[in-house]
Amino acid sequence: DGGITQSPKYLFRKEGQNVTLSCEQNLNHDAMYWYRQDPGQGLRLIYYSQIVNDFQKGDIAEGYSVSREKKESFPLTVTSAQKNPTAFYLCASTRREGYYGYTFGSGTRLTVV
Amino acid sequence: AQSVSQHNHHVILSEAASLELGCNYSYGGTVNLFWYVQYPGQHLQLLLKYFSGDPLVKGIKGFEAEFIKSKFSFNLRKPSVQWSDTAEYFCAVKPTNFGNEKLTFGTGTRLTIIP
Repeated sequence: DGGITQSPKYLFRKEGQNVTLSCEQNLNHDAMYWYRQDPGQGLRLIYYSQIVNDFQKGDIAEGYSVSREKKESFPLTVTSAQKNPTAFYLCASTRREGYYGYTFGSGTRLTVV
Repeated sequence: AQSVSQHNHHVILSEAASLELGCNYSYGGTVNLFWYVQYPGQHLQLLLKYFSGDPLVKGIKGFEAEFIKSKFSFNLRKPSVQWSDTAEYFCAVKPTNFGNEKLTFGTGTRLTIIP
């Protein structure tokens, strides 16, 4: 079955460490997204990528970095510069224009202690 | 830049009551609009979408939404809710201009249905 795989489901890191969240899709989708979900704040866009080797900042990109070296993969690095990294992170993808809707992964819950 | 407002943060209804969840967006051009639902412990799922044509769109599970361009609104409705509709609902907007794939969500509305 096609879909988006986010791993791991739960991640614990010490404060000051960088951590990379994985997102892989086998849907042949062009565009991929990273969102952060916090209670009462909905989904806020961190970064998105419309094609390989290209990506744009979303609304809350500070403290995060991404790469898009392959169409299937869009890893997110949470750096030590991110002041409140503990959150639920969701990856999504779509064909161009989003007409068929966006497919979401099951998310990674990151806890920084 | 686009933005989305969902003014109802938490709605509590009894089974069989009618539902309307508000969604307003801000953007100077034409947009595509979406409603997503997140059931407890599950992925976000597409309920319905508006791209063009009839402003009244029907989605899964008996939900519908009406796009009112003059009011920048895309409210979600269901005539009779069920206990299984308990979930969080998100409205989202994406500009239609070519090459702009930025999808922006609202803060969500938590819906609790009392049996």
